[in-house]
Amino acid sequence: DTAVSQTPKYLVTQMGNDKSIKCEQNLGHDTMYWYKQDSKKFLKIMFSYNNKELIINETVPNRFSPKSPDKAHLNLHINSLELGDSAVYFCASSQMQAIPNTEAFFGQGTRLTVV
Amino acid sequence: AQSVAQPEDQVNVAEGNPLTVKCTYSVSGNPYLFWYVQYPNRGLQFLLKYITGDNLVKGSYGFEAEFNKSQTSFHLKKPSALVSDSALYFCAVRFRGGYIPTFGRGTSLIVHP
Repeated sequence: DTAVSQTPKYLVTQMGNDKSIKCEQNLGHDTMYWYKQDSKKFLKIMFSYNNKELIINETVPNRFSPKSPDKAHLNLHINSLELGDSAVYFCASSQMQAIPNTEAFFGQGTRLTVV
Repeated sequence: AQSVAQPEDQVNVAEGNPLTVKCTYSVSGNPYLFWYVQYPNRGLQFLLKYITGDNLVKGSYGFEAEFNKSQTSFHLKKPSALVSDSALYFCAVRFRGGYIPTFGRGTSLIVHP
C-alpha cells in the first residue's frame, strides 16, 4: 500500500499548456511538501502545507499554485508551462507538529517534460 | 539560516571496502540531521537520523552516521559496500523549531564489483 502517491508518473506537454500533478498520502501526516529536482539532481523546496494551510512558499513563479483540499492531498497546478519547468517534482509528507524530529516520506516523483 | 554541504559529487568504492559519504552543516542551535537515498527513477527513502544522544546513529541497510558537533559534520558510513548501494545520497538538516529541511546537493555513490 503506497504511502505517498503521485500521479501522473510521467507528463509530457507543450509550452503554454496548463497541467496538474496530484499527490495523496495515507500516513495520517499533518504536513505535505512539493520539491523540484532539476537535471543536476538538486532538490529544492517549493511549498509546504501544514493542516491544509500554506506555511512555506519559496521563490517560485506564481504560475505554480498548490492546492490542499484536505490534509491527505496536496496538488500542484502549473499554468503557462515553460521549457525551464522541465524537472522531476516530488511530493512528500511528514508528521511535523506531533513529532517535530520526524523524517519525510517521498512519492516516486513526476517527471515533467515541456516541449 | 540553515545550510548543508556535500563536498563530493561522486564517491567511488570497490565492493567490500568501507565507504564514507561526507556531509557538513550550518544551522542556528541544535540540528536534526537526516540521510536519504535515491535509487534511479525513485523517490527519496529515509536511511537514518540524528536527534540527540549517542553520536553514532545506525540506520537501514547497514548504514550508520556519526554526528560531530565540533566539526559540524554528519558523515554517512558503511563498513562493507555492496554494488546494490550504488545510488544518490542526500544529507538534510533542519533546525529545531523549523518546518523545512534543507537538502544537500547529493552525492552519487558508485560501488564497483
